[in-house]
Amino acid sequence: GAGVSQTPSNKVTEKGKYVELRCDPISGHTALYWYRQSLGQGPEFLIYFQGTGAADDSGLPNDRFFAVRPEGSVSTLKIQRTERGDSAVYLCASSPTNGETQYFGPGTRLLVL
Amino acid sequence: AQSVAQPEDQVNVAEGNPLTVKCTYSVSGNPYLFWYVQYPNRGLQFLLKYITGDNLVKGSYGFEAEFNKSQTSFHLKKPSALVSDSALYFCAVRDISYIPTFGRGTSLIVHP
Repeated sequence: GAGVSQTPSNKVTEKGKYVELRCDPISGHTALYWYRQSLGQGPEFLIYFQGTGAADDSGLPNDRFFAVRPEGSVSTLKIQRTERGDSAVYLCASSPTNGETQYFGPGTRLLVL
Repeated sequence: AQSVAQPEDQVNVAEGNPLTVKCTYSVSGNPYLFWYVQYPNRGLQFLLKYITGDNLVKGSYGFEAEFNKSQTSFHLKKPSALVSDSALYFCAVRDISYIPTFGRGTSLIVHP
């Protein structure tokens, strides 16, 4: 079956611009996570959704980052006024239940020039 | 706070030899432990997990891991390494919350 998909696979933007990253989870998975992975590091938690609501957004680094999941399926991570330090691979994962095995997408590689 | 340590940035092993990738953790309460593998330009793939029960957990592709509570370790092992096992391996831990913490990863290189 279809796995987790993320679009775009690569995004190049200029400092100060706004970007949206999309995640399509596995159908029926209620839990959805966003992570950021920098070179040489493990995934760093950003935000966790259970259904439509953000159950934990404690990992968002500042108020430039925001994520939504309006219908409990597709999620969009939004970054305002991008900075060069935002450059990383943004990973999405979904899980059929809370916190158990997570299924990861291939990631979106964001480069802020 | 929870944390994971993967003390080796890189592990080198000859094909056919046993391999071990080390992981130690710190967490309040009972740990939920996971291993994931990442191939180049791919997302992380689940290998195995420990939630409760037997300390020796068997997972995908012939991998296994042993939960050791007294040493707070969850080392990944395989009896006979394959060149195709070469990849980046991540250990993760979470507590009763649903938010895992990942280690920095260990690059496994299996030489022919």
